[in-house]
Order: sequence, then structure tokens, then C-alpha cells
Amino acid sequence: EVQLLESGGGLVQPGESLKLSCAASGFTFTNYAMTWVRQAPGKGLEWVSTISGSGGHTYYADSVKGRFTISRDNSKNTLYLQVNSLRAEDTAVYYCAKADGATTTTGGYWGQGTLVTVSS
Amino acid sequence: QSVLTQPPSASGTPGQRVTISCSGSSSNIGSNYVYWYQQLPGTAPKLLIFRNNQRPSRVPDRFSGSKSGTSASLAISGLRSEDEADYYCTAWDDSLSGQVFGGGTKLTVL
Repeated sequence: EVQLLESGGGLVQPGESLKLSCAASGFTFTNYAMTWVRQAPGKGLEWVSTISGSGGHTYYADSVKGRFTISRDNSKNTLYLQVNSLRAEDTAVYYCAKADGATTTTGGYWGQGTLVTVSS
Repeated sequence: QSVLTQPPSASGTPGQRVTISCSGSSSNIGSNYVYWYQQLPGTAPKLLIFRNNQRPSRVPDRFSGSKSGTSASLAISGLRSEDEADYYCTAWDDSLSGQVFGGGTKLTVL
């Protein structure tokens, strides 16, 4: 059974940093691209970043480019998102998701989300 | 402003058929697969349709997807009260080198 479990969220002040993690199980992790999607309170889904199975290719939304870094440790079946220089508008639930097959688009497996709150 | 355009709301009565549209461009819907998600309050999105018109085995056949050119649509037949939720379309965008979402459609079952 595929499982994705995010952790690392919390309450931080503007300008601070966090490292989000997503522990994956139930599939061959290295074979799939992985994605972070966020959802601000009361708002829609926003794609944040995608990383290829090998980790050699990364993609970022303009809103986070230069501040967020996606990475993965295939030996630990874990996806990461380093979030720096946090702003109030980064407040959201952050979901990790497994890609559909060989595509870079999210498929049917998402974690439950981890809440990041940026506030002074 | 979302790259993919969805109506903000839709409604129907039980048993009715409703359709939700998703409009994009040649760089996203026009050249890549479309996916549809259902989201209930406080929960993670649930995949309804993948690769334009494929349905996961656990999703009832009341849900169907289609794509034509740079637009896609999600149809729900035999509407039920439990279908009341937010619905999102998404696709990869080759020009942006990223995944794009529609703004979401809130479906109300009257």
C-alpha cells in the first residue's frame, strides 16, 4: 500500500526557515517524480515544486524560486522541501504527492499534509 | 489568476448531470494529460480522473472526463449529496515547466 507521510510543519516568524519531509513507502521510490503542492487557508491548490526520480531535474513555481529547495534521498525513500525566507503568504498546508507513472504530474497518491504558519 | 480556467461554482439537484469545464492552452491541456481531483473540506485531494478520461477503479462510473483541443471537462451523472465538494483540474505546462491548476469549482447539490 502506497503511503506518504509529511512532517516538519509548524509556526514560524517571517524570514525564518523550515525543512519539510515526506516519508514514502509501498512503491519503488526512485522510479517516480515527486511533487509538493500547497493550499493556503480557504484558497485553491498551488503547485510548488517537482523533482525527478533520480533527483537530477527540479522544477519550481515562480513564487518560490530562489527561496525553496526540493530534494530527495532515495536511500531513505524520503522527499524534502527546504523553505527559506518565509513570508506570510507562504502560510498553507503543504502536500507531497507521487507522480502518475512516468509523467511529472501528480497522480492518485497524496499525503495528509503538514501545516506551515508564518506569523509574527 | 490561474493558468487553467474553471467556473468558480456549479450546482445541480440529486440525480441530475452536471459538467465542469477547464480551459487552458496549447502548452498545457493541448499537449499534456489532464487530471481531475475532488476535495472535501479538511482533506487531501482525491484523484477522480487521470490521463484525460481514465478513472481509478475505486471511483464510481458516474464520473467521466473528456478533452478536446485546449479544453477539458468533468461530468458527474446521477448527482448525489456526497458529491458536494471542490473540484480541480490540472495539467503539466511545457512553457512554464511546471504543473498548473485551475482555480477550483465549488459544486453544490441543491
